[in-house]
Amino acid sequence: DSGVTQTPKHLITATGQRVTLRCSPRSGDLSVYWYQQSLDQGLQFLIQYYNGEERAKGNILERFSAQQFPDLHSELNLSSLELGDSALYFCASSAAGGPYNEQFFGPGTRLTVL
Amino acid sequence: AQSVTQLGSHVSVSEGALVLLRCNYSSSVPPYLFWYVQYPNQGLQLLLKYTTGATLVKGINGFEAEFKKSETSFHLTKPSAHMSDAAEYFCAVRSGSNTGKLIFGQGTTLQVKP
Repeated sequence: DSGVTQTPKHLITATGQRVTLRCSPRSGDLSVYWYQQSLDQGLQFLIQYYNGEERAKGNILERFSAQQFPDLHSELNLSSLELGDSALYFCASSAAGGPYNEQFFGPGTRLTVL
Repeated sequence: AQSVTQLGSHVSVSEGALVLLRCNYSSSVPPYLFWYVQYPNQGLQLLLKYTTGATLVKGINGFEAEFKKSETSFHLTKPSAHMSDAAEYFCAVRSGSNTGKLIFGQGTTLQVKP
């Protein structure tokens, strides 16, 4: 158990819908990362937050947005869903926001878009 | 820009045999390199990392990796494979100096035969 929790574990929805994925980082960690894992794209970085502020951005679609709240939990919002958005979405957390810090990964949320 | 190439999407070894998983990287900043393992239906777990200093790094579960700058490689090895090592392995490189963003390779699935 990494200490990072993600809810829900599974999510099945239809095209065009909007979903919210939630992540609670390890106690004391200030930075949260979101990654997408799919068969065709592999494991791709989406976005990083550090203490409530956006720190780095990857190839995140405009239909996707994220935020980190004052209690440090984070949410990833996916809207106008397409079949190709079906993937495993991981959240990771680290103590600080730099490259030295180990990232601890949650178990993931598996999103299926029908 | 940073990138990672893992040679071989599938590697099969016999129990007790040497494990060698290959990783080559490209980085425009001094590389920080990581190996993660993903067991079925779980998140990623850090095996080991190289930031600075000793080029031979030891990790958990008997794995080690050697950073070779001249070859831009960071291959993962284990002298004797165990059935429990069967998993997917990801090599990653840091993206920049001020972020923990990671660029992952496509992954290598390790099969261990009895």
